[in-house]
Amino acid sequence: QVHLVQSGAEVKRPGASVKVSCQVSGGTLPEFSMHWVRQAPGKGLEWMGDFDAYSGETVSAPKFQGRVHMAADPSTDTASMELRSLGSEDTAIYYCATPTASGALDLWGQGTLVSVSS
Amino acid sequence: DIQMTQSPSSLSASVGDRVTITCRASQTISSYLNWYQHHAGKAPKLLIYAASTLQTGVPPRFSGSGSGTDFTLTISSLQPEDFATYYCQQSYIIPFTFGPGTKVDIK
Repeated sequence: QVHLVQSGAEVKRPGASVKVSCQVSGGTLPEFSMHWVRQAPGKGLEWMGDFDAYSGETVSAPKFQGRVHMAADPSTDTASMELRSLGSEDTAIYYCATPTASGALDLWGQGTLVSVSS
Repeated sequence: DIQMTQSPSSLSASVGDRVTITCRASQTISSYLNWYQHHAGKAPKLLIYAASTLQTGVPPRFSGSGSGTDFTLTISSLQPEDFATYYCQQSYIIPFTFGPGTKVDIK
């Protein structure tokens, strides 16, 4: 059975960067593209982007373009998402998730809390 | 970007009630509409994909319908574990936008 295991909580200062990792357990990363979704406190789910580990292509939502970097390391079956120039509005739980053929997100990581505070 | 709206934003219901949540897209998305259940502190759970296909393991009291711009999620008989927030999401055009959510709580 495949699981997505994310890295632990992070506390960052405004202006810093954060990198969240997502390891595929029970499967291999190149089989999947990896989507990233976040939820800020009291807010809804927000789709950030996706990275295709096989093709190496990244597509991100316009509001994150230029500030987010997604990657994958097939040798460790680990995907990552780095968000730069953090502000307080980036305080959120960040999730990795893999899609079905129609784009529905059927397998999710447990979430990583990123707190941005001075 | 495609904008997704949901109604109502919240509702109160009792165990055994029939609950209906609607989702509307700002432009046609064919049947590329997904529904998720989210309990606070847990990862979202896919319930329905492609507008009406029940995800494996999801109880049949959940059903989805619609195409084009208007969609519906129905819970035929609300159970205690169904009190949660429900989100629709379009996977037709990137960015794959979510609706704002519908919170279902206990009356």
